[in-house]
Amino acid sequence: SQKIEQNSEALNIQEGKTATLTCNYTNYSPAYLQWYRQDPGRGPVFLLLIRENEKEKRKERLKVTFDTTLKQSLFHITASQPADSATYLCARSAGNMLTFGGGTRLMVKP
Amino acid sequence: DTAVSQTPKYLVTQMGNDKSIKCEQNLGHDTMYWYKQDSKKFLKIMFSYNNKELIINETVPNRFSPKSPDKAHLNLHINSLELGDSAVYFCASSRQGGDGELFFGEGSRLTVL
Repeated sequence: SQKIEQNSEALNIQEGKTATLTCNYTNYSPAYLQWYRQDPGRGPVFLLLIRENEKEKRKERLKVTFDTTLKQSLFHITASQPADSATYLCARSAGNMLTFGGGTRLMVKP
Repeated sequence: DTAVSQTPKYLVTQMGNDKSIKCEQNLGHDTMYWYKQDSKKFLKIMFSYNNKELIINETVPNRFSPKSPDKAHLNLHINSLELGDSAVYFCASSRQGGDGELFFGEGSRLTVL
């Protein structure tokens, strides 16, 4: 089966620092990976998509990388703010559907 | 204007009951989904419909029956509820095919007592 794993432990960082979240997948590389943000009691919200042939994608303070050798995607938030505190979900394409990781909770302290 | 709306937001019921969760999207998308998020926050796909036709059914007990009266609606009916059905159920939609982002509803928290 096509698994996708994220660090289940919460990540605590200081405001202004760069947060880096990791997403690892097994077996073959997916055609693309997506990243979502989920706040408590809310539905996930799409942030970024990165394709297999792209090494890096940026959007404002967000950056995603895709390393097919390591079978890993990294999600960076630069100049983090307390408002960035949320759970971040990684999802891989698997046929015609998405398979989600368990998410990593990010806490940015002022 | 809520893009993907689902009702009810909270549902508390007894074991053995039958309940439904409704979902509507006003984005004009062709594909709709039901996901289940358990207490460990894993989002698992249950069903996917494209233009009212079932295209994904992921090992879900047949007590769960999705119904799509039109491509803007995908309802979830659950018969004979069990304790293990307690979870948050998310409806989502996307443009047809491939790598479209998913637009999620706010979730329906089901608690079975």
